[in-house]
Amino acid sequence: QKEVEQNSGPLSVPEGAIASLNCTYSDRVSQSFFWYRQYSGKSPELIMSIYSNGDKEDGRFTAQLNKASQYVSLLIRDSQPSDSATYLCAVSNAGGTSYGKLTFGQGTILTVHP
Amino acid sequence: EPEVTQTPSHQVTQMGQEVILRCVPISNHLYFYWYRQILGQKVEFLVSFYNNEISEKSEIFDDQFSVERPDGSNFTLKIRSTKLEDSAMYFCASSGTGSQYFGPGTRLTVL
Repeated sequence: QKEVEQNSGPLSVPEGAIASLNCTYSDRVSQSFFWYRQYSGKSPELIMSIYSNGDKEDGRFTAQLNKASQYVSLLIRDSQPSDSATYLCAVSNAGGTSYGKLTFGQGTILTVHP
Repeated sequence: EPEVTQTPSHQVTQMGQEVILRCVPISNHLYFYWYRQILGQKVEFLVSFYNNEISEKSEIFDDQFSVERPDGSNFTLKIRSTKLEDSAMYFCASSGTGSQYFGPGTRLTVL
């Protein structure tokens, strides 16, 4: 069974702080990694994709990938109350393409308090 | 910005009835997917579709489920005989050469 594991939280951070979200995956052939944000009752919204080891930055968000450790993380800098949501880690064994199914973790609930 | 749309937003049906959930993927996307999320649980893959055929399906996607692209814009999921355990949010997603983008979902309630 190919698994994607996340701490379910809740993770609570003060406004302006850095939020750090972590994800591990079991399938070593996984090649594409995604972070989605899901507000309560809404659909997953893509935040970032990452395919290569290292860091990828997009605005306040930085994704980090370590394939040797089968670990991917998301850092949110200058956290805002509007960032309060469930963050979903998703993994695909399709290499840099859109073809493969996504396997999701259970999500980490993030609360940013003013 | 182009987006995936889904109809209806909420469908209530009686157990044993057939339902069709509809999706309009982003227009230049070639890969289409259905996922579902039971309340409080993970998002689960159901099926992927490319070039007018199923490319992959999960264990959940049994003979009660089918997908179709009846025309150049719509992508549908049919559940032939609904069960109570089919109650969930159903998300359609589409992708081009990059990431998958999700529609707003259809909440299916089976009574």
